[in-house]
Amino acid sequence: AQSVTQLDSQVPVFEEAPVELRCNYSSSVSVYLFWYVQYPNQGLQLLLKYLSGSTLVKGINGFEAEFNKSQTSFHLRKPSVHISDTAEYFCAVRGFGNEKLTFGTGTRLTIIP
Amino acid sequence: EAGVTQFPSHSVIEKGQTVTLRCDPISGHDNLYWYRRVMGKEIKFLLHFVKESKQDESGMPNNRFLAERTGGTYSTLKVQPAELEDSGVYFCASSQQKRDLGEQFFGPGTRLTVL
Repeated sequence: AQSVTQLDSQVPVFEEAPVELRCNYSSSVSVYLFWYVQYPNQGLQLLLKYLSGSTLVKGINGFEAEFNKSQTSFHLRKPSVHISDTAEYFCAVRGFGNEKLTFGTGTRLTIIP
Repeated sequence: EAGVTQFPSHSVIEKGQTVTLRCDPISGHDNLYWYRRVMGKEIKFLLHFVKESKQDESGMPNNRFLAERTGGTYSTLKVQPAELEDSGVYFCASSQQKRDLGEQFFGPGTRLTVL
């Protein structure tokens, strides 16, 4: 079984400032890791994923995340945020050989002009 | 190419009534998933179809929920009778049959409110 913890339910950030959204997971098996974003009134969209290889993963819209196996973390970062990044961000994991995604509770990112 | 669509976008019903949610996956996607988010909590897996077969229904909360995917195309999720705790956003997702690498594409969700 897997579980995902997103400690920050809301993160306010000034425009053009950097941001880090934290994600920690636990699992008894190896996992794939994902970040999804939900813009207002839209469905979930895949931002980036870690399947294997380099632990630094780059995604869409300038986001990146780093997989840290020893700390069981997969934090999401962006060096400079824009108003358009206002959304809710979900970290998710999927166990090897398993199709279902296990999500965290989400982090609502608010950009302050 | 059309994405995953869900109908209706919102539904408000009274406790004890029946509601049916519909999901149309991306054409050609054999995998179809249902997830649910109760307000303020995590998005939880409900079940997974491969074509018309239920592959995993371990997340279905109880027997008031019935999911079908006749013909392996669209899917319906019926709640009968609805209870207050069934309120939430129901998401559908689909993916190609590409084990371990198939990205799940999500629909916009159906917001269900049970009064």
